[in-house]
Amino acid sequence: GQNIDQPTEMTATEGAIVQINCTYQTSGFNGLFWYQQHAGEAPTFLSYNVLDGLEEKGRFSSFLSRSKGYSYLLLKELQMKDSASYLCAAPPYNQGGKLIFGQGTELSVKP
Amino acid sequence: DTGVSQDPRHKITKRGQNVTFRCDPISEHNRLYWYRQTLGQGPEFLTYFQNEAQLEKSRLLSDRFSAERPKGSFSTLEIQRTEQGDSAMYLCASSLDRGRETQYFGPGTRLLVL
Repeated sequence: GQNIDQPTEMTATEGAIVQINCTYQTSGFNGLFWYQQHAGEAPTFLSYNVLDGLEEKGRFSSFLSRSKGYSYLLLKELQMKDSASYLCAAPPYNQGGKLIFGQGTELSVKP
Repeated sequence: DTGVSQDPRHKITKRGQNVTFRCDPISEHNRLYWYRQTLGQGPEFLTYFQNEAQLEKSRLLSDRFSAERPKGSFSTLEIQRTEQGDSAMYLCASSLDRGRETQYFGPGTRLLVL
């Protein structure tokens, strides 16, 4: 089976740094995705990790530890427009292309 | 703009009616996925196609739901005899099928069953 857990909501201040955690339990590992979803809009791709370590893309970075079944998304220099839901997702091993999503973390950025 | 389009964007229907949604994937993508999302939850997988072949259907997809992709391009998702519990956002995504490819999502169709 597959289970993905992430906090329901977080609040942070404009200009600050926030870390959104995700833990997963899978019968095999095939990489981990992060998506951003603004209210009423489609999820948009942020990152994909398949190897351990940190991958940086501008203000956003994503970290993976396969041995711990753990990932996080790091958002730096927060802006008001970063207020959104952040979805952690994993494709089950050898089960085609579908993604299993966590419930999403609703991030509110306050001035 | 990811290039995946869905129509309609919103649909209000009465319980018991049939509804059909359309998804047009990114043109070179041969995989197409349908997901359902309710408020405060992540998307839940419903079904996916590789070209015109439907390769997997979730147990969430009751016999009232059917999806097609007749020519391997656009897809339709039909819900027969809608129920209030079908109210949700229906998301379509597409990807290439070379290994672990990123899925790109459309804007979704928001269904409200009264």
